[in-house]
Amino acid sequence: NAGVTQTPKFQVLKTGQSMTLQCAQDMNHNSMYWYRQDPGMGLRLIYYSASEGTTDKGEVPNGYNVSRLNKREFSLRLESAAPSQTSVYFCASVGTGVHEQYFGPGTRLTVT
Amino acid sequence: QKEVEQNSGPLSVPEGAIASLNCTYSDRGSQSFFWYRQYSGKSPELIMFIYSNGDKEDGRFTAQLNKASQYVSLLIRDSQPSDSATYLCAVRRSGSARQLTFGSGTQLTVLP
Repeated sequence: NAGVTQTPKFQVLKTGQSMTLQCAQDMNHNSMYWYRQDPGMGLRLIYYSASEGTTDKGEVPNGYNVSRLNKREFSLRLESAAPSQTSVYFCASVGTGVHEQYFGPGTRLTVT
Repeated sequence: QKEVEQNSGPLSVPEGAIASLNCTYSDRGSQSFFWYRQYSGKSPELIMFIYSNGDKEDGRFTAQLNKASQYVSLLIRDSQPSDSATYLCAVRRSGSARQLTFGSGTQLTVLP
């Protein structure tokens, strides 16, 4: 049982490049989330998926897109990276009747 | 006004003392309240959650909730150096897809 996994762990992009951050969970959770964490800003919700087949915007969705590929996988795409997207990205999931959101290990992204 | 506010700290306490962490929230419709601990470079992990007014104890940790005053606190008794971390307060609003709104975190250092 790996919990929530994220790939890659680290990434450096040039401005304008694109990339997809991958997230998968093996806990049969319905809901999945993407957050970004900047120094002094706490965690801010980018997008979430309440269940397979649905996605919704969070607090800071601009510049991102998501895909809920199946119940296990939820990916985050940066179409044209900007330095303002330099951050640590966390994926999380939660199951029905469970209180805890489980977090992945994070992806540290730098955009130059 | 931020939805969830925490004193950013840093907060320093001597080993064995009580550490008190505070959090206020703006949405009176908030239903559930969470405290996460995050070690440097790691992902957040849940310490406690509370949804009823009053105190909830788990080992050395006590969460306190006062919905009338819109605050939630975390007390850590007999603080240990291993408790040194950033503590994140999170709030779940009513009717939400179980998404959380996080405060910016309080950095705690326990001095040996």
